Amino acid sequence: DAGVIQSPRHEVTEMGQEVTLRCKPISGHNSLFWYRQTMMRGLELLIYFNNNVPIDDSGMPEDRFSAKMPNASFSTLKIQPSEPRDSAVYFCASSLEGGMNTEAFFGQGTRLTVV
Amino acid sequence: DAKTTQPTSMDCAEGRAANLPCNHSTISGNEYVYWYRQIHSQGPQYIIHGLKNNETNEMASLIITEDRKSSTLILPHATLRDTAVYYCIVRVFGDYKLSFGAGTTVTVRA
Repeated sequence: DAGVIQSPRHEVTEMGQEVTLRCKPISGHNSLFWYRQTMMRGLELLIYFNNNVPIDDSGMPEDRFSAKMPNASFSTLKIQPSEPRDSAVYFCASSLEGGMNTEAFFGQGTRLTVV
Repeated sequence: DAKTTQPTSMDCAEGRAANLPCNHSTISGNEYVYWYRQIHSQGPQYIIHGLKNNETNEMASLIITEDRKSSTLILPHATLRDTAVYYCIVRVFGDYKLSFGAGTTVTVRA
């Protein structure tokens, strides 16, 4: 298994532009998570999907952020418009049954720089 | 509201055991102790978890005190590739959320 696959690995964009991050979870996993990591705030959960349905989006910082999971094998995190303070590493993770008593598998992350 | 306390950093010698402490004095009866690590420029990686019994897998051992207020992650034979940030996380059984703190930066030296 290739693990959780994220693309792109690096993204540099100008302020105001739309940014789309992509994630392919591990086949068979029914839970998907988007995390953001910054030096100041560490790793934060942005949104959690279970069976393709958003269950908890309380970590999404504001309306500029949106996430979708159209099917069990693909999810996107979109920022529109992007701002410099969105610069961070964004991780996608997947697991079985929300990770209850099981492990979550993380992708390699997308390093986003907004200039 | 941090549920765990870990040292900021620690060094250990290659080939020796690395003992990583974690305090979780307010842990509840239905909360597990999880350990993850993050190697530079990679995503976090699961290591081990436990409730009250000691646990061992191919990566590490987890020793939880009888009162469950603290635990120790043991890397039996540290290698340079074990250099990473190690996170101790307390998590209610059935909760999907992993709350990462600052962790312990472990540097394994040759």
